Amino acid sequence: QSVLTQPPSASETPGQRVTISCSGSSSNIGSNTVNWYQQFPGTAPKLVIYSNNQRPSGVPDRFSGSKSGTSASLAITGLQSEDEADYYCATWDASLNAVIFGGGTKLTVL
Amino acid sequence: QVQLVQSGTEVKKPGASVQVSCKASGYTFTNYDIHWVRQAPGQGLEWMGWINAGNGNTKYSQKFQGRVTFARDTSASTAYMELSSLRSEDTAVYYCARNIMGTIKFDYWGQGTLVTVSS
Repeated sequence: QSVLTQPPSASETPGQRVTISCSGSSSNIGSNTVNWYQQFPGTAPKLVIYSNNQRPSGVPDRFSGSKSGTSASLAITGLQSEDEADYYCATWDASLNAVIFGGGTKLTVL
Repeated sequence: QVQLVQSGTEVKKPGASVQVSCKASGYTFTNYDIHWVRQAPGQGLEWMGWINAGNGNTKYSQKFQGRVTFARDTSASTAYMELSSLRSEDTAVYYCARNIMGTIKFDYWGQGTLVTVSS
């Protein structure tokens, strides 16, 4: 059971917009920034959003992040088949004194 | 270009230890932390801790405290993770990841090392 709660799955058709939520508490999301990672099967995770809403160089602007209170969200617009992957949120938890990950969301592009 | 290249697949018996290496290139090794994250088959990501590649300071997840050791060789730009008293639940892919000190932003990852614990 992850401290950060994500929906196990999400799906949408190509070209549409999808959002993935990440719910935490005051000791983690409420007091620290959130990063998002994309992972394809059999490969290492890749950073797609850091500091809540910043995109690393090379990540399409179709990817955006936001945070409000103790929740964060990743949004992908103009969905493409190559966006089909697992997505994980992550942050620091001051109570656990640890980096924590959400349980992951499997995104399917229908 | 920044690269983290990890050592190869390991198969270990319960109770044994395993060491995974992570060789860095394309950046100044001592300016960053190296974090270790593992992923059991079909499961999510689990953070294990980090080592400051500059001064060697370490922080371990409470779950692994006493069973995991991080080290680094600055002359070889390589970080190491050793996990002892292996059990079947430690079967996982182990990743190293680069992190800018003072942040939790894993911007480059190794390719992963599969460790299988089986009798």
